[in-house]
Amino acid sequence: KQEVTQIPAALSVPEGENLVLNCSFTDSAIYNLQWFRQDPGKGLTSLLLIQSSQREQTSGRLNASLDKSSGRSTLYIAASQPGDSATYLCAVSSGYALNFGKGTSLLVTP
Amino acid sequence: NAGVTQTPKFRILKIGQSMTLQCAQDMNHNYMYWYRQDPGMGLKLIYYSVGAGITDKGEVPNGYNVSRSTTEDFPLRLELAAPSQTSVYFCASRRGQGDNEQFFGPGTRLTVL
Repeated sequence: KQEVTQIPAALSVPEGENLVLNCSFTDSAIYNLQWFRQDPGKGLTSLLLIQSSQREQTSGRLNASLDKSSGRSTLYIAASQPGDSATYLCAVSSGYALNFGKGTSLLVTP
Repeated sequence: NAGVTQTPKFRILKIGQSMTLQCAQDMNHNYMYWYRQDPGMGLKLIYYSVGAGITDKGEVPNGYNVSRSTTEDFPLRLELAAPSQTSVYFCASRRGQGDNEQFFGPGTRLTVL
């Protein structure tokens, strides 16, 4: 059974810092990995999708990397802003559905 | 495109009542999913469907039922609601199995008292 772990569970940083969120998974036989953002009381917004054949994906200030052989992905957020405050979820597709981590709760303080 | 839509947004049920959570997508996606999210936890799969007329259990199916009569709709039925079913329910869809993106609805917040 695929297990997805996200570290840290919570993170508080001052505005402007660059930060890294970590995701690890136990089974390297995956189709893809998605990073989502979830604001309190809201649904999930897809940030980045990395195919199993890719090493990284970039969107604006976000960069996600994938090392399938070691079962790891990182989400890099450059020049963090208070508007980045949210929970970030990592999800792995290794079959018909996604396996989710518990998320990293990020607070960016002004 | 409206994407994935869910109704209702909020609902309070009494123990033993039943209800149906509605989900629809207008992207002609074959795969549809129901997840639940409990506080501080990741999402857990309840049921999924790979096409009209085909459904299967996920990780936490007990207490729920689904049907898929059309490509667009995938309702989730709760029979005899219990406090343990208090959660936020998300419907999702994607084109098919494999390397494509999954899209989520806005969620239904259900409380069972």
